[in-house]
Amino acid sequence: DGGITQSPKYLFRKEGQNVTLSCEQNLNHDAMYWYRQDPGQGLRLIYYSQIVNDFQKGDIAEGYSVSREKKESFPLTVTSAQKNPTAFYLCASRVGAYQPQHFGDGTRLSIL
Amino acid sequence: DQQVKQNSPSLSVQEGRISILNCDYTNSMFDYFLWYKKYPAEGPTFLISISSIKDKNEDGRFTVFLNKSAKHLSLHIVPSQPGDSAVYFCAATPSGGSNYKLTFGKGTLLTVNP
Repeated sequence: DGGITQSPKYLFRKEGQNVTLSCEQNLNHDAMYWYRQDPGQGLRLIYYSQIVNDFQKGDIAEGYSVSREKKESFPLTVTSAQKNPTAFYLCASRVGAYQPQHFGDGTRLSIL
Repeated sequence: DQQVKQNSPSLSVQEGRISILNCDYTNSMFDYFLWYKKYPAEGPTFLISISSIKDKNEDGRFTVFLNKSAKHLSLHIVPSQPGDSAVYFCAATPSGGSNYKLTFGKGTLLTVNP
């Protein structure tokens, strides 16, 4: 089945630690995205990548980093510089313009 | 500055009746609009979209209407079913998404009562 796989579903981080959230897609989509959702809020764009080895900051990139070494993979690292990392993180991908983004099932990150 | 606004945080309707979810936008460059449905602890699921060259798009029980002059779109669900109970997000992007970015509203929680 084609789709987007995010892992783990739940993740706990200690203060001062970096953590990496995984996102893999087998849809052969060029573009991939990372969003953050907080309670009662919409989705806010963290980073996006239109093509391998290229990515751009979204609206709330501070404290996050990404890489895009393979078309299928777009991992997100939440660094210790992110002061409020507790949130629901969503990865998405899209084949092209005038096409919808398709989402994974998310990773919930909590601080211990 | 919220460019996509869903002013109703929640909506409750009876099963079988029509649900109307509203969305307003401020950026006149937006020309492709989407509705997503989201259950708790899951990713959003794409429902329906519309480009600015149309004023209506229909898919089964779901219809999206776009009023460009008012910068307003709405999602109609007819008839509403209990399984439709979820948070609905409106999203928009400029230039067909050539910059690949979506801007989301804060969502409306729809509850369909049996």
